[in-house]
Order: sequence, then structure tokens, then C-alpha cells
Amino acid sequence: SAVISQKPSRDICQRGTSLTIQCQVDSQVTMMFWYRQQPGQSLTLIATANQGSEATYESGFVIDKFPISRPNLTFSTLTVSNMSPEDSSIYLCSVERSDRVNEQFFGPGTRLTVL
Amino acid sequence: GENVEQHPSTLSVQEGDSAVIKCTYSDSASNYFPWYKQELGKRPQLIIDIRSNVGEKKDQRIAVTLNKTAKHFSLHITETQPEDSAVYFCAASRKGGTASKLTFGTGTRLQVTL
Repeated sequence: SAVISQKPSRDICQRGTSLTIQCQVDSQVTMMFWYRQQPGQSLTLIATANQGSEATYESGFVIDKFPISRPNLTFSTLTVSNMSPEDSSIYLCSVERSDRVNEQFFGPGTRLTVL
Repeated sequence: GENVEQHPSTLSVQEGDSAVIKCTYSDSASNYFPWYKQELGKRPQLIIDIRSNVGEKKDQRIAVTLNKTAKHFSLHITETQPEDSAVYFCAASRKGGTASKLTFGTGTRLQVTL
């Protein structure tokens, strides 16, 4: 399966600031997604990162708060903007390859704490 | 949109016993049902999946069954071991592309005791 890395692995940030999380894959993938996992909770999809076009956001998530980029088939970023303590979560990217349709593999996650 | 319910939320079994986790889904168009295992502080790991064209799939000690009519699917772990202790998530999605987005259940914390 693809090797997926995320940077940073964790961060502690002040409210009102922004943090950009990077997701890098070692091979080209068709789909990249961003999920949020709040403490002790399940995973919730934030958006689908579309290569060369605007991301597709799920209900409750907006581009101004979570801008996403995907400049190529191996890299994506998620920015958490104007952070508040409620944004404290683990943020995970996942990828789907064209030869394994539907199967999603997750990055190691970024643990964000907002003070 | 899709809604996935998962039961139980916690499950404690003795080593060697079997464990069963059940999920129901709402969208009849969903046709892919993966199960993920997440150990503390780790990423979710895909452990088994099933597509809507089969009713059962087995991989060593784990198996998944799917009842499309009733819209439910289950994870079965036999001969449980302490290393099976983790949180298990079921999920559902449609076929490929942007429809591949996963809707997750709420998770089951499995504890295997000696």
C-alpha cells in the first residue's frame, strides 16, 4: 500500500492563528480526503481534495475555515484557520488508489491542540 | 446522506472467545463496507472489507457478513487475543471517485481480557 506521511505530527497553537497540515504520498493516487477525529470520537469527513480544482466540502465545513489545496497527485494541504479550542482534534488525510477502488488508507494524523 | 449506526459501543470478551460488532446503514446505494481497527494513538488500519456483490468474506480469524436487504453488516472475530484490543470502526461508501467518501460508525471499543 502507499506510504503516507503528514506534517506536523502534532502542534499546540494559540487561538486566532492558523495551521497548515501537509499530506504526502509516495505514489500517485486518484483520491485524497481529509477527516477530523475529535477526542474519543469517530471520524468525520471534512472534504475531498480535488487535484487542480476546488475541494468538495461536506455539510458543516466551509472553505474559509478549512482551505484545502491539492496541486498534484501526491500532495495536499489542509489549513485550519482562525483556530478556537473547539478545533482541537486529530486531522487525518486518506488516499485511494486507482487500482484499489474504494479502499482508503490513512496517514498517521496530526494532533492539534488549540489553547 | 448516508448514516451508519454501530453497536455495541464497548465490548469486553475473554481471550479465546468470539466478538461480534454490528452496523446498519441507511443509503441503499452504498456498496462498499470496510472495517478499520484503531489502536490508541495510531491511525485507523483497514482490516477487512466487503462489497455488495458478496454476502460473506473471511480472512483468518476475522470475517464480515453483509445483509443488503436488511442493510446491516457485521464483523466477527474468533479466538480473540489481547492484541485484538482496540477501537473498531465500520464504514460505508459508494463506488469510486468522490463517491468513495466514507461515512463511519461511532466505533466499538473492544477489550480482550486474559
